[in-house]
Amino acid sequence: DSGVTQTPKHLITATGQRVTLRCSPRSGDLSVYWYQQSLDQGLQFLIQYYNGEERAKGNILERFSAQQFPDLHSELNLSSLELGDSALYFCASSINRGPNEKLFFGSGTQLSVL
Amino acid sequence: QQPVQSPQAVILREGEDAVINCSSSKALYSVHWYRQKHGEAPVFLMILLKGGEQKGHDKISASFNEKKQQSSLYLTASQLSYSGTYFCGTAIQGAQKLVFGQGTRLTINP
Repeated sequence: DSGVTQTPKHLITATGQRVTLRCSPRSGDLSVYWYQQSLDQGLQFLIQYYNGEERAKGNILERFSAQQFPDLHSELNLSSLELGDSALYFCASSINRGPNEKLFFGSGTQLSVL
Repeated sequence: QQPVQSPQAVILREGEDAVINCSSSKALYSVHWYRQKHGEAPVFLMILLKGGEQKGHDKISASFNEKKQQSSLYLTASQLSYSGTYFCGTAIQGAQKLVFGQGTRLTINP
């Protein structure tokens, strides 16, 4: 158990809908990262937050948005869903904001868009 | 900006050695290595920082050639438990984000 909690574990929805994925980092970790993993694909970096502020952005679609709340949990919002958004979404956390610390990954949210 | 891993897949017999390479076109600040088993989350293996570092624990080690912007992961006397997909993640100088390669699928057969 990495200490990073993601909910829900599975999400099935229809095209055009909006969903929210939630992540609670390890106790004491200030950074949260979001990654998308499509079938047999690598981990695509979406966005990083540190202590409530956006720190780095990857190839995140405009239909996607995220935020980190004062209690440090983070939410990834996906709207106007398309079939191609079906993927495993991972959240990871680390203590500080730099890229030189190990990431602890949650078990992921499997999103299926039908 | 995404690092390139090679090979894409490796099949070994238990006890054989493997090398997985990771290269970048950008100057790297650090290289991470993670292993992901099927249906599970990636798990941290090690981080190497610029300066030509080499690290290792047990029979898994890695090197980082800063000048060539390359890192290699070495698995010696492989065990069945080493099976999985290995990802390298790279952070370039001046950037905060950690970007992962496409992964190398390692299969260890008895």
